[in-house]
Amino acid sequence: DIVMTQAPLSVSVTPGESASISCRSSKSLLHSNGITYVYWYLQKPGKSPQLLIYRMSNLASGVPDRFSGSGSETDFTLKISRVEAEDVGIYYCGQLLENPMYTFGAGTKLELK
Amino acid sequence: QIQLVQSGPELKKPGESLKISCKASGYTFTDYAMQWVKQAPGKGLQYMGWINTQTGKPTYADDFKERFVFSLETSASTAYLQINNLKNEDTATYFCARGHTMAYWGQGVMVTVSS
Repeated sequence: DIVMTQAPLSVSVTPGESASISCRSSKSLLHSNGITYVYWYLQKPGKSPQLLIYRMSNLASGVPDRFSGSGSETDFTLKISRVEAEDVGIYYCGQLLENPMYTFGAGTKLELK
Repeated sequence: QIQLVQSGPELKKPGESLKISCKASGYTFTDYAMQWVKQAPGKGLQYMGWINTQTGKPTYADDFKERFVFSLETSASTAYLQINNLKNEDTATYFCARGHTMAYWGQGVMVTVSS
């Protein structure tokens, strides 16, 4: 199985500042079709996860452009510019390359200072 | 608007079975696969597998090949997750999510297994 390793496991951010979350996969997520199958989800407290970024760098519908995704074949970054109170929650990266063995990272908890 | 509405919380005893539902609305049900994800209390997300809503064929992740059954009632735009021979470790919230990107999620069903 592909292992997704996130860092840090928690981050505390001052509102208005930026935050970055890293995710590393144990195997390249670059498909032969040129698409990198890494996704980012946010689970706000007591809520269902929501899709933020798909295929490494594409912003999901309705997601503020303060969020961005980047990376290579195995190393990925979610960046949040100008963190707001509504951004609090647990961020998960996920690999959707190996069907049906999709896997998620352990999650990164974002809190406000 | 697109919605996935799941059934209510369940309290079951070990050895029992349950079936939870995920009713879709706001789109053509058979246009997207339905995924299932488990979240144990205080833990992260664990992918369970998916069902092809056009053919009804389920595909299970390795940890969910026994006791777990995905099914459909296409006429009702509803997907089901059945868990047989419940164990304490099945205590979790179970989510359905639309499509391979999981762009839309149900609200989750909290399942408690306790004697």
